[in-house]
Amino acid sequence: SQELEQSPQSLIVQEGKNLTINCTSSKTLYGLYWYKQKYGEGLIFLMMLQKGGEEKSHEKITAKLDEKKQQSSLHITASQPSHAGIYLCGADGSSGGGTSYGKLTFGQGTILTVHP
Amino acid sequence: GAVVSQHPSWVICKSGTSVKIECRSLDFQATTMFWYRQFPKQSLMLMATSNEGSKATYEQGVEKDKFLINHASLTLSTLTVTSAHPEDSSFYICSARGTGKLNTEAFFGQGTRLTVV
Repeated sequence: SQELEQSPQSLIVQEGKNLTINCTSSKTLYGLYWYKQKYGEGLIFLMMLQKGGEEKSHEKITAKLDEKKQQSSLHITASQPSHAGIYLCGADGSSGGGTSYGKLTFGQGTILTVHP
Repeated sequence: GAVVSQHPSWVICKSGTSVKIECRSLDFQATTMFWYRQFPKQSLMLMATSNEGSKATYEQGVEKDKFLINHASLTLSTLTVTSAHPEDSSFYICSARGTGKLNTEAFFGQGTRLTVV
């Protein structure tokens, strides 16, 4: 089964600082999702990456998937208190066959705290 | 588009009773829905895959007789926690995979916090 490891497990930064969260897979990633979660609440979709070398940005958040498709990073530029929360990466269970699309295995999450 | 609604958002029940959680795709048809569980300070763990019109597929270690899943229509899946106990207290969240262009990703509901007292 696929395993995802996120690092760091927790991160405390000062407002305005940049930060990076990493997600490493034990197998090739065919679809990698990044979500943000406030504790006890639902998931907020951030980005989805599928192609090796792909990079997507939304506002101050950039996600990349490496060429080998086994590692992804999420970078936040000029962090704000509103960025605080739990960041989760999720790997799609599909392996090219299409029958497991949407069946996600999640990393353990990274807790981000941003001090004003 | 692609909105998934989960109900209730929170529920408190007495030990030994059963609780039903609904997951609805509001603006698309979902052939497949997934149920996850999240314990405090832990990540989401897949419990089962629910396919419309057929039996759910449960992940290893998840008791199918305790967590009853019904996916009777293309827009609704239900998870019933039977004879709930305090250790079943958790955050339950569903996701739905659509058809056509919506077939390649899943959309999450807002989750249900279950507390068993």
